Amino acid sequence: QLQLQESGSGLVKPSQTLSLTCAVSGGSMNSGGHSWSWLRQPPGKGLEWIGYIYHSGSTYYNASLKSRVTVSADRSRNQFSLKLTSVTAADTAVYYCARVSSVPYYYTSENSAGGGYYYYLDVWGKGTTVTVSS
Amino acid sequence: DIQMTQSPSSLSASVGDRVTITCRASQSIDTYLNWYQQKPGKAPEVLIYAASILQRGVPARFTGSGSGTDFTLTISSVQLEDFVTFYCEQTYSFPHTFGQGTKLEIK
Repeated sequence: QLQLQESGSGLVKPSQTLSLTCAVSGGSMNSGGHSWSWLRQPPGKGLEWIGYIYHSGSTYYNASLKSRVTVSADRSRNQFSLKLTSVTAADTAVYYCARVSSVPYYYTSENSAGGGYYYYLDVWGKGTTVTVSS
Repeated sequence: DIQMTQSPSSLSASVGDRVTITCRASQSIDTYLNWYQQKPGKAPEVLIYAASILQRGVPARFTGSGSGTDFTLTISSVQLEDFVTFYCEQTYSFPHTFGQGTKLEIK
């Protein structure tokens, strides 16, 4: 059974860089064509999507964080990482890594045909708390 | 960004009740809508994806419906383990966004 485990700095000083790693066990990052994601949840608040790294290696980030965030993958070590620079107290949160699964769909109509993918987060890490404080 | 609004923010129910949670998108998202539940102190778990497809292993008392801008999650008969927080998520466009959550509480 696939499992994800976040690790990294739990306390980061303001203006410094938050670095987290998500170790994938029980399966390979390279199988199944999956993508991988980071999300976070500030204390007592809802979920915020940070970004994806696709199976192809392409990355997509939340524009509100884009200039500060980098998601990368080390498939040889079966892990992927998050770096967030210039952190402030607003970055204090529980950070989750998750696997992105996709389901293809197809449609046909009288005048057109096409398809795409539905994406959802089906395996999550337990989460790691990061506090930004001096 | 697409805004997702859930209602209500909290809901009181008794075991065995039928409950419905609504999620509204600020623009059409077709059926690119997922539902998650989150137990206190735990990571979210997917219940439904593509608006109405039940994730493997999720009890059949959960159903999802809707398309475009309006979606619902229905629990046909609430069980004790369902008194948690539920979130909707749109995956129609980046950034993927979540509703603010609906907390289901015991009446």
